[in-house]
Amino acid sequence: GNSVTQMEGPVTLSEEAFLTINCTYTATGYPSLFWYVQYPGEGLQLLLKATKADDKGSNKGFEATYRKETTSFHLEKGSVQVSDSAVYFCALSDQTGANNLFFGTGTRLTVIP
Amino acid sequence: DAGITQSPRHKVTETGTPVTLRCHQTENHRYMYWYRQDPGHGLRLIHYSYGVKDTDKGEVSDGYSVSRSKTEDFLLTLESATSSQTSVYFCAISESAGRYEQYFGPGTRLTVT
Repeated sequence: GNSVTQMEGPVTLSEEAFLTINCTYTATGYPSLFWYVQYPGEGLQLLLKATKADDKGSNKGFEATYRKETTSFHLEKGSVQVSDSAVYFCALSDQTGANNLFFGTGTRLTVIP
Repeated sequence: DAGITQSPRHKVTETGTPVTLRCHQTENHRYMYWYRQDPGHGLRLIHYSYGVKDTDKGEVSDGYSVSRSKTEDFLLTLESATSSQTSVYFCAISESAGRYEQYFGPGTRLTVT
């Protein structure tokens, strides 16, 4: 079946620190992979995506590389800001039927000045 | 931002009452989804629609029904609300199946007392 395992939080970092949030997946076939971000009181926003092995998704200084050999899609940012404080969700799309998404449990990031 | 609205945004209801949540989109996307978000579970798919009058069940569909009579509207009904259905409900839309991302609405916070 399809599932996503995500690094447990919460994560607290100082401003300008390096961020890694781990994500591994189990899937049948060749899924697309996504990172979504949820700011307080809001819905989910797509942060980045990768649709095939070795693809790198990037946006707003965040990056993640689709690693088929390790079934991973870890989120990284070189220098976090206070405004990056949010909950981050890793997700996969099963590529069959209605393109359903399977989510990890989310990782809460707090960045302190 | 994708044109997705949800109504109501907040609702408190009593156990045993019926509740209907509405999702409205202005993007003319074919696919629409209902998710619930609970601590420790991320987002889980309740039902989805792949066209007018075409719907199917997701991972946690028990106690919920849906209808889609127009492309732009997707309704989620709790036939007889229970306390276990207290959650935040998100609607999402997608242009097509395959490698297309989903866009999320702002959410509805439902409390069943």
